Order: sequence, then structure tokens, then C-alpha cells
Amino acid sequence: QVQLVESGGGVVQPGRSLRLSCAASGFTFSTYAMHWVRQAPGKGLEWVTIISYDGNTKYYADSVKGRFTISRDNSKNTLYLQMNSLRAEDTAVYYCARENGGGNSFPLDYWGQGMLVTVSS
Amino acid sequence: SSELTQDPAVSVALGQTVRITCQGDSLRGYYASWYQQKPGQAPRLVIYGKNNRPSGIPDRFSGSSSGNTASLTITGAQAEDEADYYCYSRDSSANHVVFGGGTKLTVL
Repeated sequence: QVQLVESGGGVVQPGRSLRLSCAASGFTFSTYAMHWVRQAPGKGLEWVTIISYDGNTKYYADSVKGRFTISRDNSKNTLYLQMNSLRAEDTAVYYCARENGGGNSFPLDYWGQGMLVTVSS
Repeated sequence: SSELTQDPAVSVALGQTVRITCQGDSLRGYYASWYQQKPGQAPRLVIYGKNNRPSGIPDRFSGSSSGNTASLTITGAQAEDEADYYCYSRDSSANHVVFGGGTKLTVL
């Protein structure tokens, strides 16, 4: 069955860096675009970034552009999120999610369990 | 980038029908998908495309779209449907993705 398992979260000081990983299994990882979505405590879902199936195309939310970098290693079935210059407002649960799109529909059909990142001094 | 607007809260009596709406310019070109999220859990896809349900989603959940508005309808709401519901779509440029602010559904 499809599984997405995040790791790498924790507590980090403002201005520091952290890298999240998302290990995928149960499907052909290299054929799907992947997303990171976050949720600040008590708040709604916020889209962060997307990477194409081959890693050649990436887009970012304005709130993280220039600080976060998405990447993937299709040989290891793993998605990454490198987060630099972290701010208190980046504190959130971070989810990786698979996009199963086609035509004019791009649903996120599988999600990881989420990984808490806390930015605090 | 585009925005998607949802009512913050909606309530429904047990067994009755409720509609949750989502408005935004991007919905004129892209279908919305809908996600259910219960406390402490990851979001779960419940409706996508014109009106498609993933495996395991009860048929009381349905979706529709008209112009710049997408709707999620629960026909015969159950206590277990109490959750936050989010709509989602590519934005008009297709370079970004946007979520609605979420609707908290209370089943009375």
C-alpha cells in the first residue's frame, strides 16, 4: 500500500536550517509530482512547494521562496525539503503529499503523517 | 496568486444534508479537490475532479462545480463527519497551489 513517512523535524533556533525527508513506498515514486504542505498550530493548511516527477520543475509559495528548497532522489524514493533561515512563523506540522493529477484536476491523494517543526530560541 | 474562500463554520443536524462551498477565480479553470481533517490527523482526500470519490469514501459525499464556485455536499451527515474541510486547487497561473481557509463542520 502507498506510504509516505516524514522524518527530520524537531526544534531549531531562528535563522538555522533543517532538512525534512519523506520516504515513499508502495508506488512508482518517479512518476508522481510531490508536494509539501504545512499547518501552523491551530491554523489551516498552507501549500509550500511542488516538484515535478523528474525533479526538473519546482514552484514555491511566496512565504518560503528563496529560503526553502524542494528536491527528490528517485533512486531512493525520497522527497526532501531543505529549510534555511527559519523563522518563528515557519513553526508548523509539515506534510508531504502525492499529487495524482490529470486534465484539470490535481488532487493530493496520499499524505504522510506529518512532522512537527518548531522554530524557537 | 488566487485565493479560495470558504465559510469558517457550518453546522448540520444529524442525518440532514449540508453543503460546504468554496469560491475562487481559479475554479473557472481547474476542479477543486476536497479534504477532510480530524484533530490530530493528516488530511484525507474525499472528493476530486468533476465528482469522484477515492476508495473508502462513503457515497454520501459528493461534489459539484459551477463558475467560480465548488461545493462539497454531505447527504445524511453522520457524527463521524464532524471535521474541518478544505478545498484546494491550482491557481490561475498553474504555477501555484492554493487551499481554502477551511470550514469547521459541526454535526448536531
